[in-house]
This record gives sequence, structure tokens and C-alpha cells, in this order.
Amino acid sequence: DSGVTQTPKHLITATGQRVTLRCSPRSGDLSVYWYQQSLDQGLQFLIQYYNGEERAKGNILERFSAQQFPDLHSELNLSSLELGDSALYFCASSVLGVYTDTQYFGPGTRLTVL
Amino acid sequence: SQKIEQNSEALNIQEGKTATLTCNYTNYSPAYLQWYRQDPGRGPVFLLLIRENEKEKRKERLKVTFDTTLKQSLFHITASQPADSATYLCALVNNNDMRFGAGTRLTVKP
Repeated sequence: DSGVTQTPKHLITATGQRVTLRCSPRSGDLSVYWYQQSLDQGLQFLIQYYNGEERAKGNILERFSAQQFPDLHSELNLSSLELGDSALYFCASSVLGVYTDTQYFGPGTRLTVL
Repeated sequence: SQKIEQNSEALNIQEGKTATLTCNYTNYSPAYLQWYRQDPGRGPVFLLLIRENEKEKRKERLKVTFDTTLKQSLFHITASQPADSATYLCALVNNNDMRFGAGTRLTVKP
């Protein structure tokens, strides 16, 4: 158990809908990262937050947005969902948010868009 | 365009042998390279990090090498065990950019 929690574990929704994925980092970790993993694209970095501020942006679509709250939990919002958004979404956390930190990954949220 | 290739999708070896996984990259200059283990349906688990100025890093039965001239990292698991069966991902990091390879699925047969 990495100490990172993600809810929900599974999510099934329809095209065009909007969903919110939630992540609670390990106690003491200030940085949160979001990743998408699909069969054809592999693990893709989406976005990183550090202590409430956006720090780095990867291949995140404009339909997706995220934020980190004062209690350091983070939410990833996915809107106007398409079939291709079906994937595993992972959240990871680290202490300082630099890439020499160890990132601890959560168990993931499996999103299925029908 | 930037490309990260891990030697093969799958690697099967006998228990007790050394597993060697390869991560090659092009059009990228990583400052760090990381290796992760991922079990089915679970999040990746960090194993080792090696910096661009380091040639080799070891941790218990694991060894990583990093050759910036060849643009290649090798990941070795010595005295492999069936419990080492998993997918192994390499990740390249430069500034705030992190890119993962597709992974190699390792199966260690008893």
C-alpha cells in the first residue's frame, strides 16, 4: 500500500458526460501528479501540482482540468468524454515535487466510457 | 520526434537466471532515468533512479546502467524469482518533462 488513495476505483459513464476523479496524497507529500494509462498509449503524464500550484503540464487535453486543494488532495475533471478517454487514471505523490523524488502511485481509477 | 523503446513486449526467463531489460531513446536528453515495476491492475512502483552522470546503480538484486552515448539504459535482475514477474517501465526525465516507455512484461518460470 503506497499511502496514496484514489476514488472511485471504477467509473462507467457515457460519451459527452463529465466525471471527477479524486486523489489523496501520502501524508507529508506536497506534490501530486496525474497520469493516464491506456493500452495503445502507455503511461502518459498529464499534469503536476505542488502545494496548490500547477508546476508542470504534459499531454493533458483541454477537456481535462485539475486542481489541488489547500488540504493537498487533488481532483481531475474530465469533460465531454469520448470513447478514447477510457483508461486507467493514476495519481502519484511525492514530497518535494522534483523528479529525483520517489513518486508513490495510487491504485488508479478505471474509467470506462460507453 | 522523441521516442522511447523497451526491448520487447515480453521476456521469458528461467528462475535463477539474470533478466536484462533494455530502454533505448532517441531525440531526447534525459537528466535522469527511472525504472518502475507494475503489476496487473496496479500503480507503478518506483525501483531505481540513475542520473545522466552516473554509469551504474545497484540495489539488492537490481542493477541499472545508463549510457548517454548509446542513449540506452539496461536493467538487470539477478537470481530472478517468479515473484519478479511483472511489467517493467523505464521513464526519462528532463526538467519537468517525464516520459515513459511502453514497458516489458517479464515472466520468470520456476
